[in-house]
Amino acid sequence: EPEVTQTPSHQVTQMGQEVILRCVPISNHLYFYWYRQILGQKVEFLVSFYNNEISEKSEIFDDQFSVERPDGSNFTLKIRSTKLEDSAMYFCASSLGSGAQHFGDGTRLSIL
Amino acid sequence: DAKTTQPPSMDCAEGRAANLPCNHSTISGNEYVYWYRQIHSQGPQYIIHGLKNNETNEMASLIITEDRKSSTLILPHATLRDTAVYYCIVRVNFGNEKLTFGTGTRLTIIP
Repeated sequence: EPEVTQTPSHQVTQMGQEVILRCVPISNHLYFYWYRQILGQKVEFLVSFYNNEISEKSEIFDDQFSVERPDGSNFTLKIRSTKLEDSAMYFCASSLGSGAQHFGDGTRLSIL
Repeated sequence: DAKTTQPPSMDCAEGRAANLPCNHSTISGNEYVYWYRQIHSQGPQYIIHGLKNNETNEMASLIITEDRKSSTLILPHATLRDTAVYYCIVRVNFGNEKLTFGTGTRLTIIP
């Protein structure tokens, strides 16, 4: 069964550094998403992306965040200057259209 | 904020049916009921969704009341691997519509 893959599984970064989280969505999917989950808290929506542009973003997704689909397969989330509070699990998801979003297993981001 | 209400935790004996309730009394006519689960810290896993008819797939059954104000997810023969947090989410079925997660129900399967 096709799946969403995310790399790396764990990223450790110094505060203030840039980090890029990578995702390979399911190949024929058209809609792409990032969510995050701070330890012990709810899964929170960050951003949705379709047709090479952002469809919706949450208040969390400020100017420090950006997304890109640089080629036909990858979908990336960049945090320009990381803060301690960015430490979380980051989940990528994709969907074909209306219907279910399918999630990867996440990247654990630890900011020191 | 999540538009659903779920019990914070439930237990179920292994091999028995697990019935997880969800209230969504303010659901709109074009909103679907989705169920996901999260095992430990893995990514949320899609289980099933429906609009108004009951649905069944290889993982579970979804029973939606006639007034659509509540639903029940049924895992027919629970195993230890079904221990997880289960999320009931209402969502319109547009392609880029986000999922709004609540706190879910922590289901523990007892051997």
